[in-house]
Amino acid sequence: DAKTTQPTSMDCAEGRAANLPCNHSTISGNEYVYWYRQIHSQGPQYIIHGLKNNETNEMASLIITEDRKSSTLILPHATLRDTAVYYCIAPPIKAAGNKLTFGGGTRVLVKP
Amino acid sequence: EAQVTQNPRYLITVTGKKLTVTCSQNMNHEYMSWYRQDPGLGLRQIYYSMNVEVTDKGDVPEGYKVSRKEKRNFPLILESPSPNQTSLYFCASSITGGLYEQYFGPGTRLTVT
Repeated sequence: DAKTTQPTSMDCAEGRAANLPCNHSTISGNEYVYWYRQIHSQGPQYIIHGLKNNETNEMASLIITEDRKSSTLILPHATLRDTAVYYCIAPPIKAAGNKLTFGGGTRVLVKP
Repeated sequence: EAQVTQNPRYLITVTGKKLTVTCSQNMNHEYMSWYRQDPGLGLRQIYYSMNVEVTDKGDVPEGYKVSRKEKRNFPLILESPSPNQTSLYFCASSITGGLYEQYFGPGTRLTVT
């Protein structure tokens, strides 16, 4: 997997946008960036993924820099339920078993 | 509602007593997988299945068995559980193998004494 680097933790005010950065400077041209989150002891939840272009869905937006060496996940209006560990990954195109391997992630605390 | 379900959610058992954790998805997904999650070790893949009757070992398959007789179900079997299998288990599925957009079940917390 391309190595990804994320801040260990960050706080966010409820109702404000949360911007979560991720560095992936070794990503190859055909590897996607995926974001997942895990609320305490619940199953990981897929959020969004992208290759080059910015992507948006009902949960979040993903902004990928033109050189693809970094990206930012944006939660537009954070709620208390968005408190979770967020994982940015860039898995290889064909990994055995399609396994997901999470690093340390960013622990996001949304405060009232 | 599209979902992956697991049962039981919590289980306390004793060493050597065979158990099965069920996993079912209602999304007609071809790919299913089992992970365990332990503090400090992250997610580790146990077994996966690319389609019905096709299963393969992940990174930590020892002590586990699986079967995929139907597309929707992928049970995890512990023939003789041991304390080192105490863990949080997750089942996941995706439309097809080759995709990392995977949908996880709520987890099964297993304690083996």
